[in-house]
Amino acid sequence: NAGVMQNPRHLVRRRGQEARLRCSPMKGHSHVYWYRQLPEEGLKFMVYLQKENIIDESGMPKERFSAEFPKEGPSILRIQQVVRGDSAAYFCASSAWENEKLFFGSGTQLSVL
Amino acid sequence: KNEVEQSPQNLTAQEGEFITINCSYSVGISALHWLQQHPGGGIVSLFMLSSGKKKHGRLIATINIQEKHSSLHITASHPRDSAVYICAVRNSGTYKYIFGTGTRLKVLA
Repeated sequence: NAGVMQNPRHLVRRRGQEARLRCSPMKGHSHVYWYRQLPEEGLKFMVYLQKENIIDESGMPKERFSAEFPKEGPSILRIQQVVRGDSAAYFCASSAWENEKLFFGSGTQLSVL
Repeated sequence: KNEVEQSPQNLTAQEGEFITINCSYSVGISALHWLQQHPGGGIVSLFMLSSGKKKHGRLIATINIQEKHSSLHITASHPRDSAVYICAVRNSGTYKYIFGTGTRLKVLA
């Protein structure tokens, strides 16, 4: 039973390019959370999704960032026109129910040149 | 003031010592998690608590809802316990988790 799978592990982008980060939750999990960890800072909530629905995106920057969790396939966090300040580790976590234990992916380290 | 405060920020212990990491929060919560983040960056959820106490191996987690405080204890600490330990609370009425800044633990052999 594979855990939460995130890819790529490392992603390098130049300023202005798009970054697409993927997260496949654990089998049977329909709740996905995205978090960002800036260098030397704690984790910050970005968005909470269920299948085909964005439940809470209060932690997402208003521009350039979007997330989806389609009926089929992984959850995608998309960052358009990346800037250096977007460089961070992006973690995805999934749970079976709303108030259940979280299982984390290994993260995607985004570096913007 | 952060809504979730952890102490200490850094902790160095000798192998075999009993370790306590504290977490205080100022918001209403529906759940509290203790997470472990290793130097490679991976994050593991150790406990999820909404009341009382939980034990897993050498790890014990307690929560006092009235005092808005939780502790993580490690008995007979070992160098492999060296990691960052993070307290995260789920803000009640929302789906949002708020994270402490973490306690960096180093256990020396």
